[in-house]
Amino acid sequence: NAGVMQNPRHLVRRRGQEARLRCSPMKGHSHVYWYRQLPEEGLKFMVYLQKENIIDESGMPKERFSAEFPKEGPSILRIQQVVRGDSAAYFCASSPGRRGELFFGEGSRLTVL
Amino acid sequence: AQTVTQSQPEMSVQEAETVTLSCTYDTSENNYYLFWYKQPPSRQMILVIRQEAYKQQNATENRFSVNFQKAAKSFSLKISDSQLGDTAMYFCAFMKHARDNNDMRFGAGTRLTVKP
Repeated sequence: NAGVMQNPRHLVRRRGQEARLRCSPMKGHSHVYWYRQLPEEGLKFMVYLQKENIIDESGMPKERFSAEFPKEGPSILRIQQVVRGDSAAYFCASSPGRRGELFFGEGSRLTVL
Repeated sequence: AQTVTQSQPEMSVQEAETVTLSCTYDTSENNYYLFWYKQPPSRQMILVIRQEAYKQQNATENRFSVNFQKAAKSFSLKISDSQLGDTAMYFCAFMKHARDNNDMRFGAGTRLTVKP
């Protein structure tokens, strides 16, 4: 049973470009969470999704950031018009249900030049 | 809002010794979960131990144990017989036991170095 798969592991973008980060949850998991980790800091909650629904996006910046978890395929975290402050590690986690333990992927490190 | 505080940015311990990492949290909830995650240099987030707030007994996983003090809102992690592979960032985390939301809130982390 493969774990949570994130890709790309490393992504470099220039200011103003778009970044797309993908997350495939563990098999059987229908709940996906995105977290952002700045250097030397803990993980900050961004968004919680179930298939085709955003449940809680209270941690998402109001502009440029969006997330989806379609019926088929991975969850996507999209950052439009990236700025240097978006440089961080973005972690995806999945769980089998509302009160399940979270299983984390290895993260995607975004660097904005 | 729930907050998680780890007051020790860095700690070190000699191999085979015991070390305790501190964590306090603030919540008005009565039912919740607490976790310790380990993040080695590979950056993988690895669950070390979890505790349900309704359980009075402290959780234990091999060399890892917790001291859960619900009234004091304290959740410390004790690592016994420290090994070099325990060197990592350790994050304390809180999760509400709620129907509509179970996002996890993390502390800022403690960097643990195990010295040979």
